[in-house]
Amino acid sequence: DGGITQSPKYLFRKEGQNVTLSCEQNLNHDAMYWYRQDPGQGLRLIYYSQIVNDFQKGDIAEGYSVSREKKESFPLTVTSAQKNPTAFYLCASTRTSGDVQETQYFGPGTRLLVL
Amino acid sequence: GQNIDQPTEMTATEGAIVQINCTYQTSGFNGLFWYQQHAGEAPTFLSYNVLDGLEEKGRFSSFLSRSKGYSYLLLKELQMKDSASYLCAASFTGGGNKLTFGTGTQLKVEL
Repeated sequence: DGGITQSPKYLFRKEGQNVTLSCEQNLNHDAMYWYRQDPGQGLRLIYYSQIVNDFQKGDIAEGYSVSREKKESFPLTVTSAQKNPTAFYLCASTRTSGDVQETQYFGPGTRLLVL
Repeated sequence: GQNIDQPTEMTATEGAIVQINCTYQTSGFNGLFWYQQHAGEAPTFLSYNVLDGLEEKGRFSSFLSRSKGYSYLLLKELQMKDSASYLCAASFTGGGNKLTFGTGTQLKVEL
């Protein structure tokens, strides 16, 4: 089945620790996105990538890093510089068609908790 | 900024009709998406409007007025399973295939 997978479903981080959230898609989508969702708030864009080996900062990139070495994969690292990492993290992907916005499809999410 | 505004919460009765409104800034506007999100789950795509008018898809319809910067999602024959958060998201020209999301409207369907 085609789709987007995220792992793990729950992740616990200790103080000062970097953790990496996985996102994989087999939809042959060019663009991938990472969002953060806090209770009562909408989705906020952390990073996005429209093509392999290229990515851009979103609205809240501080304390996060990404890589896009393969089309299928877009891992997100939450670094120790992110002081309030507890949130629900969602990965999404879409085709790209020039200036036409295609539908973004979401993975099941990873809930990150700080110990 | 490109603010997207929608009500925080709404309550409706099973079997009824509910309309969830969304307003956005018209400058550079491209298109408008609606997603449904159940608690703890991923958002799922409901509709996409780029032209003015009403798009009907089963019990759900979505309306867009580009000149007024206004959209609504209409849910008919409400069912308990429709209790969820409904997210409005807009794309803007030059936005690089990005979406700007509203905070979501939490809909509670009661008996």
